[in-house]
Amino acid sequence: EPEVTQTPSHQVTQMGQEVILRCVPISNHLYFYWYRQILGQKVEFLVSFYNNEISEKSEIFDDQFSVERPDGSNFTLKIRSTKLEDSAMYFCASRETENTEAFFGQGTRLTVV
Amino acid sequence: AQTVTQSQPEMSVQEAETVTLSCTYDTSESDYYLFWYKQPPSRQMILVIRQEAYKQQNATENRFSVNFQKAAKSFSLKISDSQLGDAAMYFCAYRSGTSGSRLTFGEGTQLTVNP
Repeated sequence: EPEVTQTPSHQVTQMGQEVILRCVPISNHLYFYWYRQILGQKVEFLVSFYNNEISEKSEIFDDQFSVERPDGSNFTLKIRSTKLEDSAMYFCASRETENTEAFFGQGTRLTVV
Repeated sequence: AQTVTQSQPEMSVQEAETVTLSCTYDTSESDYYLFWYKQPPSRQMILVIRQEAYKQQNATENRFSVNFQKAAKSFSLKISDSQLGDAAMYFCAYRSGTSGSRLTFGEGTQLTVNP
């Protein structure tokens, strides 16, 4: 069964460093998303991406965040200068069409120290 | 903005029994979708069931069914014949049918299944 794949599963980084979280969406999917979940809290939307551009972003997704689909298969989330409060589980999701459900990856646990 | 509320932080059920998880939402839209996602200890988000707002019939998926009350903006999940593998965090989620495709999640309900 096709699935969304995220790497790495766990990333530890020092405050102020840049990190790139990687996702390989399901191959025929056209809509891509990043969500995050701070430990013990609800899952929050960060950004959606369609047709090689951001289609929607939340207030959390400020200038330190960026997304890219560099090669037609990967979908990345970059955090330019990490802060302690960026520590969270980051989920990538993809959807085939506007009316189908989103499938989530297994998440990347980001720990900023 | 849409909001989703799960008022039960924790629930427990005996194996083989039935449990109902509550969810309410607030929206001014008429076209939307509702979902229940399961998050086991591995923390992966797994879709359990989905309901389109325009459908009056409640969605069912094997042991999982929903009670969708559109006027009351209520969307509860019923798990029948609970199994140990059902133990997880359950999130209710909303998606607009017209404006954007983000999911808005509730706070989650931690379900424990007792043997």
